[in-house]
Amino acid sequence: QVHLRESGPGLVKPSETLSLTCTVSGGSVNSGAYYWSWVRQAPGKGLLWVGYISYTGYTSYNPSFRGRVIISIDTSNNQFSLRLPSMTVADSAVYYCARISRDSANYYKNYLDSWGQGTLVTVSS
Amino acid sequence: SYELPQAPSVSVSPGQTANIACSGDKLGDKYVSWYQQKAGLAPVLLIFQNNRRPSGIPERFSGSNSGNTATLTISGTQPMDEADYYCQACDSSVSFVFGTGTKLTVL
Repeated sequence: QVHLRESGPGLVKPSETLSLTCTVSGGSVNSGAYYWSWVRQAPGKGLLWVGYISYTGYTSYNPSFRGRVIISIDTSNNQFSLRLPSMTVADSAVYYCARISRDSANYYKNYLDSWGQGTLVTVSS
Repeated sequence: SYELPQAPSVSVSPGQTANIACSGDKLGDKYVSWYQQKAGLAPVLLIFQNNRRPSGIPERFSGSNSGNTATLTISGTQPMDEADYYCQACDSSVSFVFGTGTKLTVL
């Protein structure tokens, strides 16, 4: 069974860049059957999809982030990462990494089948 | 942008059936997944592709999707089912869209 674990700083100063890494075990990120995704949840709020990456490096991001998001993948270490520059208080949230089970024939069939436990990121000076 | 509004809260008595709805423009033309999130924990996939259950998910959880509404049905609701529930669909412009979430209270 695949296991995902987020790592990174719990506290970031305003205007700084958030860098988070998701380490995958029990499965390989180097697979065409999946995308690798980030989802965040502000305190007391709902889930917000941030973006995803494929094993080839193909990415898709939520337009609401206005180009601020960068997701990368490291197949040699079985990890993928999130970079979010220019952090503000509004970016304070629990950040989850998750695996997307993808249907190569029908994009609309994709779903998030495994999630990390999440990591709380607080933006404060 | 594509939106999936859900009722903020639903209450149900133990043993009864809970229906949690998710609405969206022509949602029946898409595939809907449902996630359960218990307090302080990560979401868990309950239903995918409208009505399919991952292994390990109890049969009391089922899903349907038609027209502009998708519904998660919990039959014989148990106190352990108390949680937040989110629907999710893929949209052509934003990729993954989550519903606003419904808090299920079992009382």
